[in-house]
Amino acid sequence: EAGVAQSPRYKIIEKRQSVAFWCNPISGHATLYWYQQILGQGPKLLIQFQNNGVVDDSQLPKDRFSAERLKGVDSTLKIQPAKLEDSAVYLCASSRDRRTEAFFGQGTRLTVV
Amino acid sequence: GQQLNQSPQSMFIQEGEDVSMNCTSSSIFNTWLWYKQDPGEGPVLLIALYKAGELTSNGRLTAQFGITRKDSFLNISASIPSDVGIYFCAGQLIGNEKLTFGTGTRLTIIP
Repeated sequence: EAGVAQSPRYKIIEKRQSVAFWCNPISGHATLYWYQQILGQGPKLLIQFQNNGVVDDSQLPKDRFSAERLKGVDSTLKIQPAKLEDSAVYLCASSRDRRTEAFFGQGTRLTVV
Repeated sequence: GQQLNQSPQSMFIQEGEDVSMNCTSSSIFNTWLWYKQDPGEGPVLLIALYKAGELTSNGRLTAQFGITRKDSFLNISASIPSDVGIYFCAGQLIGNEKLTFGTGTRLTIIP
């Protein structure tokens, strides 16, 4: 079974620029998560999808972050405009449903300079 | 956002030693998960616990779901070099399936 795929692996941008990350979850997984992991900390949930609907986006900075999962499969996370404090690893995870364990992708390391 | 408290924050051990770490929360959880993260990689699931008091093993790893539902423990026996990494606990709140992660325990093996 293929794992969660994310791209790109690394991205360096200047502050105030825009950036987008892509995630392809494990086939058949209805629940998709985006996490932000700042260096030295545990992952923090940004947004959770159930199929193509948002379940929880309470910790998503909506003034600059947006995410979509239009067909209930792939998802994109966008930051516009980026700030220095957005430098982190952005992890995508998926699970069969909301009550089962989540599997993570390798992440995208974002550096904002 | 809430994060679970893990201890110790870091551990320096010799190969072959046993390791114990724990995770505590002020909230009750109905599921506890333990993940390991290697540098440059995403977290990898090690063990999942679903019932209070449950004790589950995965090879040299053993984890327990605390009776109070507010804590969990992970033990690694006879550590080997590939055990090096950061271990995270994660819990799911009753009535809210959001996964909340701990602060992590960094394991280093001294040659």
